[in-house]
Amino acid sequence: DAGVTQSPTHLIKTRGQQVTLRCSPKSGHDTVSWYQQALGQGPQFIFQYYEEEERQRGNFPDRFSGHQFPNYSSELNVNALLLGDSALYLCASSLPGAGGSKTQYFGPGTRLLVL
Amino acid sequence: AQSVTQPDIHITVSEGASLELRCNYSYGATPYLFWYVQSPGQGLQLLLKYFSGDTLVQGIKGFEAEFKRSQSSFNLRKPSVHWSDAAEYFCAVGHNTDKLIFGTGTRLQVFP
Repeated sequence: DAGVTQSPTHLIKTRGQQVTLRCSPKSGHDTVSWYQQALGQGPQFIFQYYEEEERQRGNFPDRFSGHQFPNYSSELNVNALLLGDSALYLCASSLPGAGGSKTQYFGPGTRLLVL
Repeated sequence: AQSVTQPDIHITVSEGASLELRCNYSYGATPYLFWYVQSPGQGLQLLLKYFSGDTLVQGIKGFEAEFKRSQSSFNLRKPSVHWSDAAEYFCAVGHNTDKLIFGTGTRLQVFP
């Protein structure tokens, strides 16, 4: 049973560019969350997708946007990249069902470097 | 405000010694609590979780944690540390909406 997968593993961009990161959830999971982990910090919640809609959003600017597809996979898009966007971007998935803090399972992450 | 505090940034122990990593939380509702481990350059692996019931929970790799509501704590313990336990450990809290709030992590170094 494949776990959460993310692509690419590493990415280098320059300031002002746009980037798209991809995530496939664990089999049977329908909810996908994205987190940003800056160097030496804990992960920070960006947003969560459920039934192809953004269900909750953290304190991130509109430059950060996302999408969820009918197969539950998800994309994270970041526009007008800043140096401060350099981080490890983690995707997590969880089981379907309403309510409750279901366990989130994390992928290996995409490391983004903005020059 | 909701928050998680991990007071120890860096801990060093000898292999075979016992370990306790501290976690304190501030949360308005009944919290769901988690410990994750992260090896260098890797994603997060779930060690254990507490939702309700017995306040002492067992996890993988011989880890356990105890929920103490009166102290707003959820400390992680292991009786005998192995060199392979060297990693970064994160405590997290969540509730109904699945959004997780993480602490800043504790880096564990193990000496032979």
